[in-house]
Amino acid sequence: NAGVMQNPRHLVRRRGQEARLRCSPMKGHSHVYWYRQLPEEGLKFMVYLQKENIIDESGMPKERFSAEFPKEGPSILRIQQVVRGDSAAYFCASSPQRTGVNTEAFFGQGTRLTVV
Amino acid sequence: AQSVTQLGSHVSVSEGALVLLRCNYSSSVPPYLFWYVQYPNQGLQLLLKYTSAATLVKGINGFEAEFKKSETSFHLTKPSAHMSDAAEYFCAVSAIVGNEKLTFGTGTRLTIIP
Repeated sequence: NAGVMQNPRHLVRRRGQEARLRCSPMKGHSHVYWYRQLPEEGLKFMVYLQKENIIDESGMPKERFSAEFPKEGPSILRIQQVVRGDSAAYFCASSPQRTGVNTEAFFGQGTRLTVV
Repeated sequence: AQSVTQLGSHVSVSEGALVLLRCNYSSSVPPYLFWYVQYPNQGLQLLLKYTSAATLVKGINGFEAEFKKSETSFHLTKPSAHMSDAAEYFCAVSAIVGNEKLTFGTGTRLTIIP
């Protein structure tokens, strides 16, 4: 059973371009979480999705960022018109059901976005 | 709101020595607490978690952590360090309700000296 797969692992974009980060959850997992790690900071929650639904997007910047998790295919984190401050590591995690006492989320290796 | 503070961004210990990584939390509600490890070029892996059962939690690879409410701490320990323990360690907290949203500390990079 493959783990959470994120691609690309490294992404370089020029200011003003769009970045699309993909996350394929573990088999049987329908819950996906995105986190961002800025340099010298801890991971910060961005958004929680369950197949085709956004459950909690309280950590998403209000502009330029969007996320989806379609019925088929990976979850996508999309950043439009990237700026230097978007340079960070973006981590995806997945779980088979809502995390709780007996359910944990499994993390991918992350996508490192560099905006030049 | 919850937060965690990890004291020491870099910790070095000799092989065979005690490992102690510090984490203090702040939470207005009873928390869940977690320790994750990240090896180079890999994703975060859960070491252990506290979910209001036993205050001493045992995890994988010989690690354990003790929840101390009076000190608002959840320090990670291992009696004897191995070279393979070299990695970055993250403490995290969540509320019991809405616990899918983790708040992480800034991480501690552990170096093992041969």
